[in-house]
Amino acid sequence: QVQLQESGPGLVKPSETLSLSCSVSNASLAGSSYYWAWIRQPPGKGLEWIGSVYYSGSTYYNPSLKSRVTISVDTSKNEFSLKVRSATAADTAVYYCARVGSERALLSRPIFFFDFWGQGTLVTVSS
Amino acid sequence: DIQLIQSPSSLSASVGDRVTLTCRASQNIDTYLNWYQQLPGKAPKLLIYAVSFLQSGVPSRFSGSGSGTDFTLTISSLQPEDFATYYCQQNYTTSPWTFGQGTKLEI
Repeated sequence: QVQLQESGPGLVKPSETLSLSCSVSNASLAGSSYYWAWIRQPPGKGLEWIGSVYYSGSTYYNPSLKSRVTISVDTSKNEFSLKVRSATAADTAVYYCARVGSERALLSRPIFFFDFWGQGTLVTVSS
Repeated sequence: DIQLIQSPSSLSASVGDRVTLTCRASQNIDTYLNWYQQLPGKAPKLLIYAVSFLQSGVPSRFSGSGSGTDFTLTISSLQPEDFATYYCQQNYTTSPWTFGQGTKLEI
């Protein structure tokens, strides 16, 4: 079973860069046919997709965050990472990494879903 | 962005009840609609993808239906472990994938 684990600082100062990593077990990022994603959830609120990365480095970002976010992959470490620049209090959230599963036989285009998740890590942006 | 509106925002029910949760999209999303369950303090868990296909290991008391803009998640007989928050999510378009605001199912 695929396992994901987020890691990184739990406290970030305003205007600094929020940086997280997601270590993947029981699956190899190199040459995999999956995208990998970051999703966040502010305390007491709903879920927001941040972006996704392919093992080749190809990325998709939420337009609302695109100007401040970079997602990258390191196949040698079997992990992928998130950076959010110029962090503000609005970036305070539980951050989840997830695998993007897909089903290609059902519809005219593949349907994608988040089928394996990390446990999440709370990042607080505060001075 | 495609907006997903879930109703109700919260729902009180009892063990054994049949409940139906609704998700409405701001535009046609065909059947590109998934459902997740989130227990308190836990990561979301995929329940259903493409409207009606149960993820492996999900009990058959969960079912989904709909197409276009209106979708439902039904739990046929509530169990104690089903009290959680449920989210719908669309990927009809890549930019961006969006979630509904959630329905909290309470005892």
